[in-house]
Amino acid sequence: KAGVTQTPRYLIKTRGQQVTLSCSPISGHRSVSWYQQTPGQGLQFLFEYFSETQRNKGNFPGRFSGRQFSNSRSEMNVSTLELGDSALYLCASSLVSTNEKLFFGSGTQLSVL
Amino acid sequence: DQQVKQNSPSLSVQEGRISILNCDYTNSMFDYFLWYKKYPAEGPTFLISISSIKDKNEDGRFTVFLNKSAKHLSLHIVPSQPGDSAVYFCAARYNQGGKLIFGQGTELSVKP
Repeated sequence: KAGVTQTPRYLIKTRGQQVTLSCSPISGHRSVSWYQQTPGQGLQFLFEYFSETQRNKGNFPGRFSGRQFSNSRSEMNVSTLELGDSALYLCASSLVSTNEKLFFGSGTQLSVL
Repeated sequence: DQQVKQNSPSLSVQEGRISILNCDYTNSMFDYFLWYKKYPAEGPTFLISISSIKDKNEDGRFTVFLNKSAKHLSLHIVPSQPGDSAVYFCAARYNQGGKLIFGQGTELSVKP
């Protein structure tokens, strides 16, 4: 069974640009959640999608948004990038709920210059 | 507001000895706790979990202890191996369907 796939692995953007990250969950998993990892801050929860609906949301500004498609694949979008958005963005999938065992992808490393 | 805290950013242990990683939380409503391990360039992987109705859970070399009165949990690795060198995250949830809240992580280095 293929694991969680995130693309691209690396991205370099400049301030003010926007970016879209993609996540394909494990086959059969319906819940996809996104986390931001920065040094010293651990994993900060962004949002969770289940059956194409946002079910939980973290404390991030509206510049961070996401969506989920009918095949459970998910995308995350960050608009008007700021230097502080530089981070590793991790996607995780689970069968039904975020508080089950999560399976993480390898992440997308975003650098904002 | 950091509800789950790992106050030690790093820990160094000799191979064969015990590694103890600590995690404190502030929300007494948390009912389920997990530990994840992360190697560089990989996503975190699930290691072990414990429900709030228990005070200990064991899986091979890994044991998690929960002290609800102190709002503290710890992960013990015995014996430690060089392959255990990674960043360890503790996480907690406080209701069914709720999000997982992670700590900042502790980088464990096990020296041969």
